[in-house]
Amino acid sequence: QVQLVQSGAEVKKPGASVKVSCKVSGYTLTKLSIHWVRQAPGKGLEWMGGFDRDNDDTMYAEKFQGRVTMTEDTSTDTAYMDLSSLRSEDTAVYYCTSMGADDAFDIWGQGTMVTVSS
Amino acid sequence: SYELTQPPSVSVSPGQTASITCSGDKLGNKYACWYQQKPGQSPVLVIYQDTKRPSGIPERFSGSNSGNTATLTISGTQAMDEADYYCQAWDSSSDFYVFGTGTKVTVL
Repeated sequence: QVQLVQSGAEVKKPGASVKVSCKVSGYTLTKLSIHWVRQAPGKGLEWMGGFDRDNDDTMYAEKFQGRVTMTEDTSTDTAYMDLSSLRSEDTAVYYCTSMGADDAFDIWGQGTMVTVSS
Repeated sequence: SYELTQPPSVSVSPGQTASITCSGDKLGNKYACWYQQKPGQSPVLVIYQDTKRPSGIPERFSGSNSGNTATLTISGTQAMDEADYYCQAWDSSSDFYVFGTGTKVTVL
């Protein structure tokens, strides 16, 4: 059974960076396309970007371009999302999720709460 | 940028049918999928490629997509179906994924 296990909650000051990890369990990262979605408190889901395994290309939502970097360590089956220049509006739960062959996000991590506060 | 619009809330009585709409320009030309999210939990895929149900999703969940509107239908709604629901599609012109604004389903 494939699982995505994320790192724990983070508290950061404005202007800092945060790196959230997403470890693949029960499968291999190289066969998955990992994307990142965030959800601010009381708000909806927001796609941030992800890796297209078929095209070997990383896509970033326009809103986050220049501020987000998504990487992988295939030796440990772990994906990472690095968000810089944090501001209070970045306070949210960050999810990693896998885009399946069914053109949908079919597996989700448990979420990582990132709080940005001075 | 491409947008998907949903009604903020839908109320339904137990055993009745709930319909949740998702509107977007020429949405019928794209694949739509739907996610259920209960408080404090991660989203769960309930419909993909407009009409298909993943393994383990009850038959009372069904979907359709035509024109500018995709619809998620919950037949014989149960109390456990009370949740937020989000539609999602891929915008080929920008190569971006988009989520709908979300609908809170209340089972009265």
